Amino acid sequence: EAGVVQSPRYKIIEKKQPVAFWCNPISGHNTLYWYRQNLGQGPELLIRYENEEAVDDSQLPKDRFSAERLKGVDSTLKIQPAELGDSAVYLCASSHRAGRNTGELFFGEGSRLTVL
Amino acid sequence: AQTVTQSQPEMSVQEAETVTLSCTYDTSENNYYLFWYKQPPSRQMILVIRQEAYKQQNATENRFSVNFQKAAKSFSLKISDSQLGDTAMYFCAFMEYGNKLVFGAGTILRVKS
Repeated sequence: EAGVVQSPRYKIIEKKQPVAFWCNPISGHNTLYWYRQNLGQGPELLIRYENEEAVDDSQLPKDRFSAERLKGVDSTLKIQPAELGDSAVYLCASSHRAGRNTGELFFGEGSRLTVL
Repeated sequence: AQTVTQSQPEMSVQEAETVTLSCTYDTSENNYYLFWYKQPPSRQMILVIRQEAYKQQNATENRFSVNFQKAAKSFSLKISDSQLGDTAMYFCAFMEYGNKLVFGAGTILRVKS
């Protein structure tokens, strides 16, 4: 079974530039999460999708961040414009319906963003 | 709001020895889950072990076991017979049923040969 796939693995951009991250969850997983992990810290939830619906986006900085999950499968997280403080690893995770309630998440390898 | 505290930023252990990673959490809820996730260098995070708060028996998974002290809100991870492949960042995490997963800041574990 293929795991959660993310791209790109690494991205270096100048501040004020846009950037987008893509995630393909495990087949059959209805729930998809985007987390941000700052250096030396634990991941923090940005947004959670149930199928194509964003059910928790309270921590997503909506002035510059946006996300979508068309057709309830792949998802894209966008930052526009990027700021220096956005440098972090962006993790995508997915879970099946039961896993959503029991905390068993499957993570991708992450996309490391460096904003110069 | 729930918080998870890992007071050990880094730990080292000799191969084949035992190490314990500490975690405390804060919640007013009675029903919840606790987890230890492992994040190897440049690799994806994986679930190591899970504990349901209503279960008094401590969870075990092969060389990994927990010491769950509900009254003290403590949840430590014991790794027995440490192996080089155990080198990773370990995150303690908390979740109310159906709610979001809250992670601690992590403990870097280095297993030395």
